[in-house]
Amino acid sequence: AQKVTQAQTEISVVEKEDVTLDCVYETRDTTYYLFWYKQPPSGELVFLIRRNSFDEQNEISGRYSWNFQKSTSSFNFTITASQVVDSAVYFCALSEAHTGGFKTIFGAGTRLFVKA
Amino acid sequence: DSGVTQTPKHLITATGQRVTLRCSPRSGDLSVYWYQQSLDQGLQFLIQYYNGEERAKGNILERFSAQQFPDLHSELNLSSLELGDSALYFCASSPPGQGLAGELFFGEGSRLTVL
Repeated sequence: AQKVTQAQTEISVVEKEDVTLDCVYETRDTTYYLFWYKQPPSGELVFLIRRNSFDEQNEISGRYSWNFQKSTSSFNFTITASQVVDSAVYFCALSEAHTGGFKTIFGAGTRLFVKA
Repeated sequence: DSGVTQTPKHLITATGQRVTLRCSPRSGDLSVYWYQQSLDQGLQFLIQYYNGEERAKGNILERFSAQQFPDLHSELNLSSLELGDSALYFCASSPPGQGLAGELFFGEGSRLTVL
């Protein structure tokens, strides 16, 4: 069954610390996509990154980096030198085909507090 | 601004009532997804429509129904409301032709409070 687990409910760090958000997924499909979304206090979910199941290259975008490891079914997200503006809820998500359409399932989210 | 419009932003109603939430996807997007976000359940996928047709269904209750109209806007109908239906309901759309890879563009959500 399709499942996304974000074991960390809340993380609190001090500004400039590095922080890693964990994501573990389960799927029977060989073709799928993984995503990270950010939900700031304003509430609207914003797309951050996508990865397909055949591309295990890690990616870096500014202070953000993502580590995809198929062997451990993990897709972890690291924020380097965190800033107060990074405070948000971060969701990991898995998209796979489902009866003629597509289903994107979200993890429970990790709430990140970055203190000044 | 994601380009996805949801109305109303806030709605307060009583148990047993029926409400309709409306969503307009981004211009050019054919897919519409509905999600329910509650404190204890997280973001739950409800249903997906593509160009007017239902394509995928999640844990949507029988009391809930949705449809996508020819102009591609979608409505989510919630009936016989219960206290537990209080939640933030998100609509999202995704770019055409991307299939599984399509990122979701979310609206601001409709916050439903059932008293």
